[in-house]
Amino acid sequence: GNSVTQMEGPVTLSEEAFLTINCTYTATGYPSLFWYVQYPGEGLQLLLKATKADDKGSNKGFEATYRKETTSFHLEKGSVQVSDSAVYFCALSDRASSASKIIFGSGTRLSIRP
Amino acid sequence: GAGVSQSPSNKVTEKGKDVELRCDPISGHTALYWYRQSLGQGLEFLIYFQGNSAPDKSGLPSDRFSAERTGGSVSTLTIQRTQQEDSAVYLCASSLGHDLAKNIQYFGAGTRLSVL
Repeated sequence: GNSVTQMEGPVTLSEEAFLTINCTYTATGYPSLFWYVQYPGEGLQLLLKATKADDKGSNKGFEATYRKETTSFHLEKGSVQVSDSAVYFCALSDRASSASKIIFGSGTRLSIRP
Repeated sequence: GAGVSQSPSNKVTEKGKDVELRCDPISGHTALYWYRQSLGQGLEFLIYFQGNSAPDKSGLPSDRFSAERTGGSVSTLTIQRTQQEDSAVYLCASSLGHDLAKNIQYFGAGTRLSVL
């Protein structure tokens, strides 16, 4: 079945460091890919998405490119801030008949030191 | 409403009791989803509603779990004869349409269920 694998955390970086969180997927067909973020004490929210191969999703300085050849959707940011500390979830949409649902990875906790 | 609202925010219950968790989606959103987030686990899909019907309930872990949605709005997730392994955060989400490539899914803050 469809699945998402992302790097285990926690990941701890210093402010202004470069961030990469790896994500690979297994899917039949052509899923859409997502990164969701859960800030401390807040609900889950969509960070960015890409709906077809070679698309790049971007938001708040974060980017991820849909790579069909490597079945990957790695999250990157050039210079992280303390406010980026959160749990990040890679996910894909799983279309089945007329329904559509999200399959999530296990999450990566990111902590940024001032 | 302004966002997806879930109640209660926290629920502590004894093993064997029944619990009801409520989700109030964003007004006008036809699609509604329930997920479960267990400690150390990712988010696990439970059930999806389009209007009042549930085309996909493949994620419900056992027949102790059921959900309904009335009036195309509020949904209730019921867990009967709760077990300790049911302890988790239960998240509800809604979207304007069911195609998640085109519609954003908005999540509530969740209900943290603890079964003693």
